[in-house]
Amino acid sequence: DAKTTQPPSMDCAEGRAANLPCNHSTISGNEYVYWYRQIHSQGPQYIIHGLKNNETNEMASLIITEDRKSSTLILPHATLRDTAVYYCIVRPVNSGNTPLVFGKGTRLSVIA
Amino acid sequence: DAGVTQSPTHLIKTRGQQVTLRCSPKSGHDTVSWYQQALGQGPQFIFQYYEEEERQRGNFPDRFSGHQFPNYSSELNVNALLLGDSALYLCASSITSPKETQYFGPGTRLLVL
Repeated sequence: DAKTTQPPSMDCAEGRAANLPCNHSTISGNEYVYWYRQIHSQGPQYIIHGLKNNETNEMASLIITEDRKSSTLILPHATLRDTAVYYCIVRPVNSGNTPLVFGKGTRLSVIA
Repeated sequence: DAGVTQSPTHLIKTRGQQVTLRCSPKSGHDTVSWYQQALGQGPQFIFQYYEEEERQRGNFPDRFSGHQFPNYSSELNVNALLLGDSALYLCASSITSPKETQYFGPGTRLLVL
């Protein structure tokens, strides 16, 4: 079973920041937080991952709380193409080939 | 650099038939994992192949089998198809490295009638 809890759906206005929350209260010290997204009928796309420090790349920022029990994925300027299901996944460190355990994710709708 | 590719993109079969789906991993990747995604659900892990052997398996019956070839490409075979096998089948590739993650192909949509 997935070790994360996400809201089933969220809306965001185009051009605004999209903040997607994830709870992972049982995360252990040797587990990363990963984010993937899945645009309709396509394969999941890797976005970002982090252990305890905040991370940023060209797609998004990941903010992890100090106690590591929750995190927020931030899309700074959402566009219509960011409409997708976003999955938050907890995964052990040093686990390159460990299977990903997906929950139901958050369906983000970006509205013009 | 080609990403993960899968074929075919869509497939229609009838109950009781057998199906083979194919996957070519991202260049430089040596491990292939297969996932099943039913409508409205997240992907569920089926099994993983590395060095031409099944290394890990999820909670799927023996009707689901696979193979990995020396060039790291892989096949997923499903025998005695059931209506419930209708799903998007996803292939993900990775390398055996602690800091690497899995990259997914576009999937094969299977419809069983």
